[in-house]
Amino acid sequence: GAGVSQSPRYKVAKRGQDVALRCDPISGHVSLFWYQQALGQGPEFLTYFQNEAQLDKSGLPSDRFFAERPEGSVSTLKIQRTQQEDSAVYLCASSLTGAEAFFGQGTRLTVV
Amino acid sequence: AQTVTQSQPEMSVQEAETVTLSCTYDTSENNYYLFWYKQPPSRQMILVIRQEAYKQQNATENRFSVNFQKAAKSFSLKISDSQLGDTAMYFCAFISRNSGNTPLVFGKGTRLSVIA
Repeated sequence: GAGVSQSPRYKVAKRGQDVALRCDPISGHVSLFWYQQALGQGPEFLTYFQNEAQLDKSGLPSDRFFAERPEGSVSTLKIQRTQQEDSAVYLCASSLTGAEAFFGQGTRLTVV
Repeated sequence: AQTVTQSQPEMSVQEAETVTLSCTYDTSENNYYLFWYKQPPSRQMILVIRQEAYKQQNATENRFSVNFQKAAKSFSLKISDSQLGDTAMYFCAFISRNSGNTPLVFGKGTRLSVIA
C-alpha cells in the first residue's frame, strides 16, 4: 500500500476484554515499531521488529501486552484483560533505513 | 538514556506571522538525527523536518527551518508565514544512529494554534 495502515481506527473494549490491533506497514519496510500515546502526551515506545524478529520489547508495560509479526509484514499488538490505564492511541510506524519513520493514523483504544 | 524536552505546552500565532517552538534534548551520543513531527487531529504523525547531527547547516523545508545548536543540545523549529493548516500538535524527536534501527524518543509536544 501507499502508507502505513492501522485497523481498527477506534476500539471500545470493556474492562477485562482482549483486543487485537493491526498494523500493515509500507511494503518492503523491514523495521516496524509500536508506540503508545496517552492523551496529551508524546508517543512512547512499546516494541520493535526487524522483519519477523522482535528485537526489543522493553517498552511493553506488562505481560498483558504481546506483539507479533509472523511473516515479517503485518503486525498485531494484542492486549489481554484490558484495564482502564490501557486507554490510549496506539501508533504503528515502519521504516526502511531508520532515518525516517512513516506512521499510521493510529488506533484509539478506550477501555470502559 | 536520551530525553527530549519541550517546555511550551501551548503556543498561538497570528496567521502570516512567524513562530518558534523550542526543544532541548539530552544524550551522550554523537551520531543521531533530530526530527519535528506534526500531528493534526487526524492523529497521523507527519514528518516536518529532519536534521542529521553531523551536519552543521540548519535544515530548511519551505516555510519550516530549524536552529540546531549541538553544543547546547537545542533544536528549535521556526515556522514562517504561519497558515491555518499549521494548527496541530508538534513533537520534537530524537533517534540514535549508533546501532541499527532504534526507536524514536519524543517530547511531550507543543500545541500550536494559528489564529486568523
